[in-house]
Amino acid sequence: AQSVTQLDSQVPVFEEAPVELRCNYSSSVSVYLFWYVQYPNQGLQLLLKYLSGSTLVKGINGFEAEFNKSQTSFHLRKPSVHISDTAEYFCAVRVNRDDKIIFGKGTRLHILP
Amino acid sequence: EPEVTQTPSHQVTQMGQEVILRCVPISNHLYFYWYRQILGQKVEFLVSFYNNEISEKSEIFDDQFSVERPDGSNFTLKIRSTKLEDSAMYFCASKGVTPQPQHFGDGTRLSIL
Repeated sequence: AQSVTQLDSQVPVFEEAPVELRCNYSSSVSVYLFWYVQYPNQGLQLLLKYLSGSTLVKGINGFEAEFNKSQTSFHLRKPSVHISDTAEYFCAVRVNRDDKIIFGKGTRLHILP
Repeated sequence: EPEVTQTPSHQVTQMGQEVILRCVPISNHLYFYWYRQILGQKVEFLVSFYNNEISEKSEIFDDQFSVERPDGSNFTLKIRSTKLEDSAMYFCASKGVTPQPQHFGDGTRLSIL
């Protein structure tokens, strides 16, 4: 069965500092990978996706993620965070043949002034 | 940009009552989904729907749950006899052709009293 692990439940970061949110997945078949962001009291917004091709994918709001097949990881990065990045970030995987999305438990990004 | 819209944003219902959550997917999408997020927990898949039938459902989606696409635009989730543990945020999502990502609505917060 597929699973997604986000080891950090909360990540505090100073404003304008870089951040990396970790995500590892397990699957015996090829997958599609996503990061979704949930701002306070809002729904889920797609941040970026890996479907195929280049392993470095760029998303909205200056975020990027790198797919590493050998390490089964899809870590999210931003070189300089802003107070407006305060949100919960969910890593997610969809298996090729199935359609449902499996979410990680989420990482709450807390920006310190 | 087209959006998935969900109504109502907040639904309060007495335990044992029936509730219908409504969703209007993106107009040219073919695949529809319901997920839920219990407070403080991860987003969980409930059901997927394609070509007017359920294509997959999770073990959460028991006989108390049903989905329907009553017309060309709405996609509904019905809970026949609500329980306290049904309290959660319910997200609708829709998708065009594979492998494009699912687009989520802002959710309906269901509170069972």
